[in-house]
This record gives sequence, structure tokens and C-alpha cells, in this order.
Amino acid sequence: DGGITQSPKYLFRKEGQNVTLSCEQNLNHDAMYWYRQDPGQGLRLIYYSQIVNDFQKGDIAEGYSVSREKKESFPLTVTSAQKNPTAFYLCASTDRNTGELFFGEGSRLTVL
Amino acid sequence: GEDVEQSLFLSVREGDSSVINCTYTDSSSTYLYWYKQEPGAGLQLLTYIFSNMDMKQDQRLTVLLNKKDKHLSLRIADTQTGDSAIYFCADPQGGTSYGKLTFGQGTILTVHP
Repeated sequence: DGGITQSPKYLFRKEGQNVTLSCEQNLNHDAMYWYRQDPGQGLRLIYYSQIVNDFQKGDIAEGYSVSREKKESFPLTVTSAQKNPTAFYLCASTDRNTGELFFGEGSRLTVL
Repeated sequence: GEDVEQSLFLSVREGDSSVINCTYTDSSSTYLYWYKQEPGAGLQLLTYIFSNMDMKQDQRLTVLLNKKDKHLSLRIADTQTGDSAIYFCADPQGGTSYGKLTFGQGTILTVHP
């Protein structure tokens, strides 16, 4: 079945550690996105990539980094520079024809 | 910048209709979207409406678009307990239909038996 797989689903880390969240899609979508979700704030765009080896900052990119070496994969690193990293992180990809976003199940990061 | 606003909570009884409202600022969008999020999960597209339409009906869902007031609403008829979720309206950034969306804060719908 086609879809987006995020891992891990839950992650606990100590302050000051970098963490990498995995996102893999087999939908053959060119564009992929990372959103952050906080209660009562909706989703905010962190980074996006419209094509392999290219990516752009979203609205809240500070403290995050990404790579796009393969079409299927778009990992997100939450660095120690991110001041408030505890959140629910959602990866998505786009159907170019309709603009519909397909989401993964999310990764919940808790920094202790 | 672009802004999308929703009320945070809605509580209804099973069998009643639910109406979730949204206002947006970017009037150049080709589509406007409604997404549903169940607890601990990602978002799923519920429905969308082209900006040149006033209304779209899809089974129990009715979307109304008032372009003059930049107001979007989602009506769920005969609401069921399984409809309890967070509902987001979303507006493409810069008016494009690509995946860079500005989301509202989400409306938490609670359906009581």
C-alpha cells in the first residue's frame, strides 16, 4: 500500500542532543514537507523540498535541518539550537495535480 | 502574512448537525481545504472546494465558501461519535495549489451520545 512512514512514533531525548526523524514515502511524489504541531496553534511549516537535492526554509526553520538525497526520503534533524523542540512532527508529500497533502502518522518528540 | 482563523472548540449531540467556521486572508487561492485529525494520528484530507464555487456537497459534508467575506464553513450532517476529531481548514500559501498550506488552529469537535 502506498503511503508515508514516519519513525519513530515516540522519541525522548535529553536537552542539548540532536535527533533525526525519519520520513519515507512510496507515493512517487516529488514534493515533501515537514510541519510542526503544537496544541492550539495548528500546523506550521518547517522545511519543504520540491525536488531531490533541493529544499527551502518554511516559516519556522530555525534550529532544524533537512536533506533530500533520495526522492523517497526527507529526514528532519532537530538540533540543540531549537529552543522548544517538544512537539508533534508531521511529514507530508503532495500530489502535484490536486495539491492534496498526504500525511504520515507523526512523530512525538519530548525533550527532557 | 497569511492568516487562517478557526474557533477552537465545538460540542454537539449525536445526530445533530455540526458547523465549523473558518476565515482566511489570502483571496488568491485556487483551492481551500478541510483536513481531519484523529487522536495521535496524521491529518487526512476530508474535502476541498475550488475558489470559483460557492458550495460543495459530499455525502454528509457540505462546504460553503463566501469569497466576499473570506469565510469558509464545513457542515457535518447527522454527526456521529466517530466524527469526534480536530478539523483544520487550510489555505495554500501564495495562492498556489501546491502543498505549502497555512493551517488554522484546528477546531476540536466533541460529539456526545
